[in-house]
Amino acid sequence: EDQVTQSPEALRLQEGESSSLNCSYTVSGLRGLFWYRQDPGKGPEFLFTLYSAGEEKEKERLKATLTKKESFLHITAPKPEDSATYLCAVQGPAGAGSYQLTFGKGTKLSVIP
Amino acid sequence: EAGVTQFPSHSVIEKGQTVTLRCDPISGHDNLYWYRRVMGKEIKFLLHFVKESKQDESGMPNNRFLAERTGGTYSTLKVQPAELEDSGVYFCASSQARRGGTDTQYFGPGTRLTVL
Repeated sequence: EDQVTQSPEALRLQEGESSSLNCSYTVSGLRGLFWYRQDPGKGPEFLFTLYSAGEEKEKERLKATLTKKESFLHITAPKPEDSATYLCAVQGPAGAGSYQLTFGKGTKLSVIP
Repeated sequence: EAGVTQFPSHSVIEKGQTVTLRCDPISGHDNLYWYRRVMGKEIKFLLHFVKESKQDESGMPNNRFLAERTGGTYSTLKVQPAELEDSGVYFCASSQARRGGTDTQYFGPGTRLTVL
């Protein structure tokens, strides 16, 4: 069974204070690892897909990296508008053709001005 | 391009009643998914449609839940009769068909269901 563990559960940063969020996963045959951002009362908003170990992707102040066991979401010089819950999800082998995602519980990031 | 839409945004019902949730996927997306988040837990998969066919319903909790996607467009998720443990936020997502590869799932805003 696929498993995703995110840490920390919550993180408070001062504006400009860089940090990283962790996503550890167990899946038999990773097809893709996804990062989403979720604001209160809204649905998950897609950020990145990573496919293989060593891959990196960037978007503004965010950079996602992937190893064989975990992924990191690095936040450089965060701003208050980066405050949100960040979700990690994995997509395992195709099996019967389903593309279901297995999610972690998320990391709630608060950036203080 | 319009995103995934869901209706209603909130629903409060009593135990034993019936509720129907609706999802309109992004136009042209053959894949439609239902997920649920109960309080304190992670988002969990319920089922996956490809067009009007159920591809995977392994996450459906029991036979009180019925999902349909007539004509391969919008989908409904009916809970009948609702129980207290059905409370949570129900998300719908959609993606384009991609055989064998990954697909990016785009989520709707969710329907918050409260069963009293």
